[in-house]
Amino acid sequence: GIQVEQSPPDLILQEGANSTLRCNFSDSVNNLQWFHQNPWGQLINLFYIPSGTKQNGRLSATTVATERYSLLYISSSQTTDSGVYFCAVLTQGGSEKLVFGKGTKLTVNP
Amino acid sequence: EPEVTQTPSHQVTQMGQEVILRCVPISNHLYFYWYRQILGQKVEFLVSFYNNEISEKSEIFDDQFSVERPDGSNFTLKIRSTKLEDSAMYFCASRKSSGANVLTFGAGSRLTVL
Repeated sequence: GIQVEQSPPDLILQEGANSTLRCNFSDSVNNLQWFHQNPWGQLINLFYIPSGTKQNGRLSATTVATERYSLLYISSSQTTDSGVYFCAVLTQGGSEKLVFGKGTKLTVNP
Repeated sequence: EPEVTQTPSHQVTQMGQEVILRCVPISNHLYFYWYRQILGQKVEFLVSFYNNEISEKSEIFDDQFSVERPDGSNFTLKIRSTKLEDSAMYFCASRKSSGANVLTFGAGSRLTVL
């Protein structure tokens, strides 16, 4: 099946710093979503981005589908950005399910 | 904004007991999913459901698990005889159609098996 690799696995930042999280995937996909898992365990959908670039406040994401990767940018990080960020891809073909990466655990220190 | 609703938010049960986790998907969605996340690990696919039948299930989804859509709104996951290793967060998700590829997730149900 499709492989989803996220890097780095852990990231520690000082408040105000910028960061880039990466997601590589091994096959063509119909969909790519970025999620933030908050301290209560909820999966918050950040972006639906099968290709191109989107921005939402301090967050932006870019997916280059032909090269099979996506990037999540966090600018001017805040302590509330802490948590785990997951990339998930929807496979093409008969099996239409989201496959998750292992996540990047982000810690933003004050 | 429409939401996927899950109940209970947290359930504690004894090993060997049956557990039913409930989900109310978004009303015009047709595809339904259950995922599981053991503490500290990644989110894993359990089962997908469409047109009142299972579309696909993972190897995790053994005979102890079952899903049901008993009426027009609820989508349930039943674990017949819980084991310690079933302790996890269980997420329900729904999707509108095969052409609409965004999955919307519920807030999760945390299951603790003692």
